[in-house]
Amino acid sequence: DTEVTQTPKHLVMGMTNKKSLKCEQHMGHRAMYWYKQKAKKPPELMFVYSYEKLSINESVPSRFSPECPNSSLLNLHLHALQPEDSALYLCASSQEPDREQFFGPGTRLTVL
Amino acid sequence: DAKTTQPPSMDCAEGRAANLPCNHSTISGNEYVYWYRQIHSQGPQYIIHGLKNNETNEMASLIITEDRKSSTLILPHATLRDTAVYYCIVNTGFQKLVFGTGTRLLVSP
Repeated sequence: DTEVTQTPKHLVMGMTNKKSLKCEQHMGHRAMYWYKQKAKKPPELMFVYSYEKLSINESVPSRFSPECPNSSLLNLHLHALQPEDSALYLCASSQEPDREQFFGPGTRLTVL
Repeated sequence: DAKTTQPPSMDCAEGRAANLPCNHSTISGNEYVYWYRQIHSQGPQYIIHGLKNNETNEMASLIITEDRKSSTLILPHATLRDTAVYYCIVNTGFQKLVFGTGTRLLVSP
């Protein structure tokens, strides 16, 4: 298995909802990443997990809560989001923290 | 991290070489040049990276000038599937990549 999978592909949620995005890889990679990409903009790094521990948080609001239950799985828990949080959320993984990143297809999130 | 400057868009005929330039005049000695691309509605894809020497892999070649202030990504025989946004990134490592606005390459028949 040589890919990063993300579920769901699309998500629509209200501002009071709680939802989660899921990312999975079975390549034995030890670093995983969350990025946010607004329409017609480049991806922006949100979080980095190295060896299942949060190593980088790019000052992301607390309504986004990452979780790494094991080395293959990365979640992004969403609560009380705003319409401006609507974006494509990309997950990536790399063999080691400082190796090339492999990206998943993303989850397109719409907040109403 | 050093900033990069790329043309916003480029065109290329199918089968021809696509040469994508990137300026990074403030690059530091320990910073690498990375190239990623993003095909519409997909996640970014790693292409190649280099420090000083020219690099080649199955996807592309990377030519870095001797003063390291600019580089060129070369796709030797562009196909329609190479239509994408190409990002040139300068960084000390892969971990905290900062994507710029990139070059939108359109390959036409």
